Amino acid sequence: AQTVTQSQPEMSVQEAETVTLSCTYDTSESNYYLFWYKQPPSRQMILVIRQEAYKQQNATENRFSVNFQKAAKSFSLKISDSQLGDTAMYFCAFLRSNFGNEKLTFGTGTRLTIIP
Amino acid sequence: DGGITQSPKYLFRKEGQNVTLSCEQNLNHDAMYWYRQDPGQGLRLIYYSQIVNDFQKGDIAEGYSVSREKKESFPLTVTSAQKNPTAFYLCASSMDRDTEAFFGQGTRLTVV
Repeated sequence: AQTVTQSQPEMSVQEAETVTLSCTYDTSESNYYLFWYKQPPSRQMILVIRQEAYKQQNATENRFSVNFQKAAKSFSLKISDSQLGDTAMYFCAFLRSNFGNEKLTFGTGTRLTIIP
Repeated sequence: DGGITQSPKYLFRKEGQNVTLSCEQNLNHDAMYWYRQDPGQGLRLIYYSQIVNDFQKGDIAEGYSVSREKKESFPLTVTSAQKNPTAFYLCASSMDRDTEAFFGQGTRLTVV
């Protein structure tokens, strides 16, 4: 079974600074997807970024980027120029290719607070 | 606007009563999912459905039931058999099995 580990239960950073959230996963599969979801105080889960394992290039979405290290099974999220609206729980998730979203495995989350 | 609507946002029920949580999507997605979220834990899959009139148990299906009579709707019933039903429930959908899931805003169920 796949496992996803987020070792930082809570983090805080000053507004406009850069912060990196860690995620490691364990799998024997070679084809899979990795996601970062954001859950703000409204509690709706919002997809932040997606990475396909076969792609060597790290995914980027505006201020959000990932550092995907396949050999190390590491998938960290970097938030640049952090904003107050980035305050949220962040979940890392793993999905095996061709096995369906019912196999989507989530980490336990990192609570990120942006300090004004 | 397309999206997933869960209702109600907050729900209170007495112990021993069944309660049904609503989930509707207008994204034309085939697959729908129910997750439970407890403090300090990630999301855990309760039930999922890949197509109308078909659904499968997830990791923690005991004490729950679902139906999928329409593509747009996937209601979840929390039965009296669920020993610890107080939790936050999230519904999600995806175009198919291997595309990213989109989530509703959740329902907070409190059983007293």
